[in-house]
Amino acid sequence: GAVVSQHPSWVICKSGTSVKIECRSLDFQATTMFWYRQFPKQSLMLMATSNEGSKATYEQGVEKDKFLINHASLTLSTLTVTSAHPEDSSFYICSALPLGGVTQETQYFGPGTRLLVL
Amino acid sequence: AQTVTQSQPEMSVQEAETVTLSCTYDTSESDYYLFWYKQPPSRQMILVIRQEAYKQQNATENRFSVNFQKAAKSFSLKISDSQLGDAAMYFCAYRSYNTDKLIFGTGTRLQVFP
Repeated sequence: GAVVSQHPSWVICKSGTSVKIECRSLDFQATTMFWYRQFPKQSLMLMATSNEGSKATYEQGVEKDKFLINHASLTLSTLTVTSAHPEDSSFYICSALPLGGVTQETQYFGPGTRLLVL
Repeated sequence: AQTVTQSQPEMSVQEAETVTLSCTYDTSESDYYLFWYKQPPSRQMILVIRQEAYKQQNATENRFSVNFQKAAKSFSLKISDSQLGDAAMYFCAYRSYNTDKLIFGTGTRLQVFP
């Protein structure tokens, strides 16, 4: 149980294009999902908190117009990197908090998406 | 603000031996959660173990156990009978009762030698 998927697992795009990454909770509902960015050999950096049906809350220093987050349902959140540039190349990870239940305080993570912007 | 510190960037252990990974945290809160996550080369974050601060009993999951010292704000992870598949980055994380956010440490890379 508590499986989170991400799609795509890796993507290569040209500078200036937009890329959408999907995060789905497969066997549970999640009112809250999180988006992280991870640079090589570093820890996870929280970018934003996504709540179903409302606007995402971005961490300080994260450009909300560049990293668009939509949480349209209790099982799906999307991150769109708009006008991507090489410096946006990174590993993006989502996580989800189960709605209710004994594990509702535990974040479950997706497998990550590797983005390379040429 | 809460912080999480993992002072061991790298650790190594021989197969079948025991290793302990350190984690300390700083908080003024009395109620919170602590977690250990494992990130193998696949980079999939996997929950290893979870501890509620109000519980005095140390959490255990098979070969993994913690030594939770609330007064010392210490939360170490002990891996017994280490296996090659335990090789990974291990992240300690803190979560307040008042927020959903996780605060991660910088991680410890564990190598397991046959």
